[in-house]
Amino acid sequence: KQEVTQIPAALSVPEGENLVLNCSFTDSAIYNLQWFRQDPGKGLTSLLLIQSSQREQTSGRLNASLDKSSGRSTLYIAASQPGDSATYLCAVRPVGNNNAGNMLTFGGGTRLMVKP
Amino acid sequence: DVKVTQSSRYLVKRTGEKVFLECVQDMDHENMFWYRQDPGLGLRLIYFSYDVKMKEKGDIPEGYSVSREKKERFSLILESASTNQTSMYLCASSWTSGRMTGELFFGEGSRLTVL
Repeated sequence: KQEVTQIPAALSVPEGENLVLNCSFTDSAIYNLQWFRQDPGKGLTSLLLIQSSQREQTSGRLNASLDKSSGRSTLYIAASQPGDSATYLCAVRPVGNNNAGNMLTFGGGTRLMVKP
Repeated sequence: DVKVTQSSRYLVKRTGEKVFLECVQDMDHENMFWYRQDPGLGLRLIYFSYDVKMKEKGDIPEGYSVSREKKERFSLILESASTNQTSMYLCASSWTSGRMTGELFFGEGSRLTVL
């Protein structure tokens, strides 16, 4: 069974710092990996989607990388801002038949606080 | 922009009541999902649907049912609400084309309290 782990569970950094969030998964047979942001009391907002054939994706100050063989993905945030404070979650979609392939496995998230 | 709309942001119900949570997406997505999110337990899949009138159980379907009569609408039903169903409920949708599946888009969530 796929397990997805995000360490650390919480992170506090000063404004302007570049930072890396980690996501590890146990089964490398994945179809894609998605990073989300969640603000308190709100739903999840999709940040980046990396297909299994890709190594990285970029959107603005965010860069996500994927290393399937080692079961790892990282989310790099450049020049962090207080508005980046949120919980960041990763989720992996397995390779499989279409129905099983729809079942994502989520990590527990990293709660990020960027201090002014 | 994809929009997934959940009908109620906050609900308070009594034990034993029947509860309907509605979700509508405007991007003609094939797949729709209901999750619940609880502190320390993360996101858990309750049910998902890959087509109209089709449904599959997720990890925690007990105590819930779903309905998908139209492609854009996916309803979660609590037949007889219990206090352990107090939670944040999140609806999501994604497209499928052949063997390809797109990214998941979530609604704003429905915070349900059962007294």
